[in-house]
Amino acid sequence: AQTVTQSQPEMSVQEAETVTLSCTYDTSESDYYLFWYKQPPSRQMILVIRQEAYKQQNATENRFSVNFQKAAKSFSLKISDSQLGDAAMYFCAYAYGTASKLTFGTGTRLQVTL
Amino acid sequence: DSGVTQTPKHLITATGQRVTLRCSPRSGDLSVYWYQQSLDQGLQFLIQYYNGEERAKGNILERFSAQQFPDLHSELNLSSLELGDSALYFCASSGPYNEQFFGPGTRLTVL
Repeated sequence: AQTVTQSQPEMSVQEAETVTLSCTYDTSESDYYLFWYKQPPSRQMILVIRQEAYKQQNATENRFSVNFQKAAKSFSLKISDSQLGDAAMYFCAYAYGTASKLTFGTGTRLQVTL
Repeated sequence: DSGVTQTPKHLITATGQRVTLRCSPRSGDLSVYWYQQSLDQGLQFLIQYYNGEERAKGNILERFSAQQFPDLHSELNLSSLELGDSALYFCASSGPYNEQFFGPGTRLTVL
């Protein structure tokens, strides 16, 4: 079974600084997708970024980028120029193939300080 | 706004009761997924429907059932409710790049 591990329960970053959230996963499949979701205090699940396993290029969305290391089964999220609105719970997720369920990590709570 | 709608937003009920949660996917999306988020179990996949047919089943209790209707909206039925069923229940639909868009969730409290 596929598993997703987020080893950092909590992280803190100062406003305007950069922070990296870690995620590792375990799978024997080659066709899969990885995601980062943000859950602010409103509890809404918001898609932050997506990475296809077959793509070598790391995905980037504005201030958010990933470091995808396929051989190491690592998928970290880098947030640049952190803003107060980035404070949230961040979940790493894995999906095998297309139109399939998400397997989530336990989440990392990110605090942004002034 | 993800385009996925869920009703109701909050539900308070008693043990032993039955409730129905409703979800409408984004326009054009055929897949609907249900997830449960509780404090001790995290985010768990319950069940997936694709164009009216059950496609995948996760950690869904026998007391729970779901269906997807011809207009693609889905309902999750929870019966014989227990205190431990209190959780946030999310519905999601999948987009063209395999990403899933989540509704705002239904917070269920069982007293």
